[in-house]
Amino acid sequence: ETGVTQTPRHLVMGMTNKKSLKCEQHLGHNAMYWYKQSAKKPLELMFVYSLEERVENNSVPSRFSPECPNSSHLFLHLHTLQPEDSALYLCASSQDLGGGANEKLFFGSGTQLSVL
Amino acid sequence: AQSVTQPDIHITVSEGASLELRCNYSYGATPYLFWYVQSPGQGLQLLLKYFSGDTLVQGIKGFEAEFKRSQSSFNLRKPSVHWSDAAEYFCAVGGRQTGANNLFFGTGTRLTVIP
Repeated sequence: ETGVTQTPRHLVMGMTNKKSLKCEQHLGHNAMYWYKQSAKKPLELMFVYSLEERVENNSVPSRFSPECPNSSHLFLHLHTLQPEDSALYLCASSQDLGGGANEKLFFGSGTQLSVL
Repeated sequence: AQSVTQPDIHITVSEGASLELRCNYSYGATPYLFWYVQSPGQGLQLLLKYFSGDTLVQGIKGFEAEFKRSQSSFNLRKPSVHWSDAAEYFCAVGGRQTGANNLFFGTGTRLTVIP
């Protein structure tokens, strides 16, 4: 148990559906992240929030929409996805963002997304 | 350009045998280096990290890694593998002036342990 909880664990959706992924951290951290993990590719950082403000959006298509209502919760809203968006989506948190690369990341178990 | 290369996609070792997972990096400044492990159905967990000082760092679960600047490598080792070590292992590099949002991950090495 890392203190970062993601739901649902698995999600199958059609290309016209709208769904949301949820992440909750119980660690009192100030920074939260969404990563995309595809087979045989490096982890792709999608979004970063620090103190509930988005600080990074790495050229992610607009069909992915993040939301951070407070420092403990992070959502990823999905709509009109494509089959190539099928992947494992990981949420992570760290104590702060500005602490240099020594900021330890705590990951959730991920949501395995399949887009049909 | 910053990057991490893990040349071995999949490694199989016998339980009790020694293990070495390779990691090479390219980074324009002094690197911070990490190894993360991902057990099946789980997120990534930090095994160990190197920032400065002793180039041989110890981590959790009996793992160690050695930083070799001349070879741009940060290989992970374990003297005796246990069946529970079967997982995917990721090497990552970051910088002193950057945050956790600027880590570059490798593509991972999947470890299979046979009895």
